[in-house]
Amino acid sequence: KQEVTQIPAALSVPEGENLVLNCSFTDSAIYNLQWFRQDPGKGLTSLLLIQSSQREQTSGRLNASLDKSSGRSTLYIAASQPGDSATYLCAVRDSGGSNYKLTFGKGTLLTVNP
Amino acid sequence: DTGVSQDPRHKITKRGQNVTFRCDPISEHNRLYWYRQTLGQGPEFLTYFQNEAQLEKSRLLSDRFSAERPKGSFSTLEIQRTEQGDSAMYLCASSPQSLGEKLFFGSGTQLSVL
Repeated sequence: KQEVTQIPAALSVPEGENLVLNCSFTDSAIYNLQWFRQDPGKGLTSLLLIQSSQREQTSGRLNASLDKSSGRSTLYIAASQPGDSATYLCAVRDSGGSNYKLTFGKGTLLTVNP
Repeated sequence: DTGVSQDPRHKITKRGQNVTFRCDPISEHNRLYWYRQTLGQGPEFLTYFQNEAQLEKSRLLSDRFSAERPKGSFSTLEIQRTEQGDSAMYLCASSPQSLGEKLFFGSGTQLSVL
């Protein structure tokens, strides 16, 4: 059974700082990995999707990397802003029989202080 | 607005009552998912439709839960005889046919069972 772990559970940084969020998964047989952002009481917004054959994806100040063999992904946020404050969730899609669903971590709650 | 739409946004009900939620996916998406999220946890998979066919149901989905997607368009999730443990955010997501595509989530329905 796939399990996804996110470290740290919470992170507080001053504005302007670069930061890294970590995600690990137990079964490396994945189809892809997706990072989401969730604001309090709201749904999820997709940030980046990395296919299993890719090493990284970039969008603006966000960069996500994937090391499938070691079961790890990182989300790098450059020059953080107060508007980046949210919960960031990592989710994997398995490549096996359960490939219709995503398995999520519990998320990292990020607070960027002005 | 061409995103995933969920209705209602909030639902408060008394234990034992039945509730029904609606999800309107992005129009060209043929895959539709329901997830449930409790406070401090990542979303957990409930069920999955490809067009009008319900292809998978999680063990989390007890006999009190039923989901439909008539004509492969909108979907409904009904909970009968609600229990306090059903209190959660119910999230709907849709995606195109390819497994390599992102999931797009709605804003969710927050259910509180008193």
